[in-house]
Amino acid sequence: ILNVEQSPQSLHVQEGDSTNFTCSFPSSNFYALHWYRWETAKSPEALFVMTLNGDEKKKGRISATLNTKEGYSYLYIKGSQPEDSATYLCAPCETSGSRLTFGEGTQLTVNP
Amino acid sequence: DTGVSQDPRHKITKRGQNVTFRCDPISEHNRLYWYRQTLGQGPEFLTYFQNEAQLEKSRLLSDRFSAERPKGSFSTLEIQRTEQGDSAMYLCASSLARASGIYNEQFFGPGTRLTVL
Repeated sequence: ILNVEQSPQSLHVQEGDSTNFTCSFPSSNFYALHWYRWETAKSPEALFVMTLNGDEKKKGRISATLNTKEGYSYLYIKGSQPEDSATYLCAPCETSGSRLTFGEGTQLTVNP
Repeated sequence: DTGVSQDPRHKITKRGQNVTFRCDPISEHNRLYWYRQTLGQGPEFLTYFQNEAQLEKSRLLSDRFSAERPKGSFSTLEIQRTEQGDSAMYLCASSLARASGIYNEQFFGPGTRLTVL
């Protein structure tokens, strides 16, 4: 079972602030790393899937980087908006299509 | 809507009762996963199917839990003799297993929130 850690557990920022979260995971037997955004009463929404060391992905104001050698990924949100308020989950997996092992998530609240 | 759907969205039951949840995956997706999320934790893997075959079960899936995917389409998760510790959000996800080297992203449903009184 993978040990996945996310920090911080929760974060409160003001609208317009930029912020970032960390996900750390075992670097051995790594296949891919997922980031999901989960808003209350909705389905977890896939943000990124990254597989290669050094990968950087971007979607609007959100971007992510991956370091598979040291076992960490960063998620960045530029100019946070209230609609970014959600729990952000990371989940590595060891093979394609296998179980995802989620961290506890970072709960982001963006105050207007 | 062609996403993953789950039914019911909420279920309240008394301890000792049996409950069954249903998941309809995205059409054509051959893999289906069940996860459970308790307060303050990330989702935990329970089991997954490829078509109708159950390929992996977590040790979290006690004898009181059973999952089926009889025709390789929708799946059911049954919990017998529910306990208060079973209270959680039960999430279903689906993916399309393709040729090696093409990643199979998992798409999640909205979950079924179970409360055991």
